[in-house]
Amino acid sequence: AQSVAQPEDQVNVAEGNPLTVKCTYSVSGNPYLFWYVQYPNRGLQFLLKYITGDNLVKGSYGFEAEFNKSQTSFHLKKPSALVSDSALYFCAVRDINTGFQKLVFGTGTRLLVSP
Amino acid sequence: EAGVAQSPRYKIIEKRQSVAFWCNPISGHATLYWYQQILGQGPKLLIQFQNNGVVDDSQLPKDRFSAERLKGVDSTLKIQPAKLEDSAVYLCATKRGGGTDTQYFGPGTRLTVL
Repeated sequence: AQSVAQPEDQVNVAEGNPLTVKCTYSVSGNPYLFWYVQYPNRGLQFLLKYITGDNLVKGSYGFEAEFNKSQTSFHLKKPSALVSDSALYFCAVRDINTGFQKLVFGTGTRLLVSP
Repeated sequence: EAGVAQSPRYKIIEKRQSVAFWCNPISGHATLYWYQQILGQGPKLLIQFQNNGVVDDSQLPKDRFSAERLKGVDSTLKIQPAKLEDSAVYLCATKRGGGTDTQYFGPGTRLTVL
């Protein structure tokens, strides 16, 4: 079965500092990986995805993620955090084994950016 | 383009009552998903539709949950009867096609079962 792990329940960072939210994955074949963000009382918003190609993927709101096959990781990064980035972040992997293209989500990491 | 629409946004019911949620996808999106997100957890897929056909309902508790997408556009998810453990946010997501297309989520319906 496909799965993702987000080892940190919460990440704290000061505004202006770089941030990293970690994600590791487990798949049987080629991984399709996604990052979503969830603000309070809102649905999930798509940030970026890795399908193939360049290991550094750029997404919305200045976020990027680095795919590392040898470490089976897909960490989300931003060079300079904003207070408005405070939210819940989910990593997800496409479950290719079922053939139905469903997403399997991690448990989420809460990002708290302090002024 | 307009996003995925869901209603109601909030619903409070007593256990053993029934409830229904509605989802209107982004225009042209053939694939529709219903997810359940329990507080503190990631979303979990309940059911996936491709147009008006069910593709995957392996994690849908069929004794109490049902869903339909009769004309391949709007979808409804029903719970009857509700249990306390059904308290969660129910998210609808849609996708244009297959392959590596991105899923886009609606704002969700927060259900509280008392």
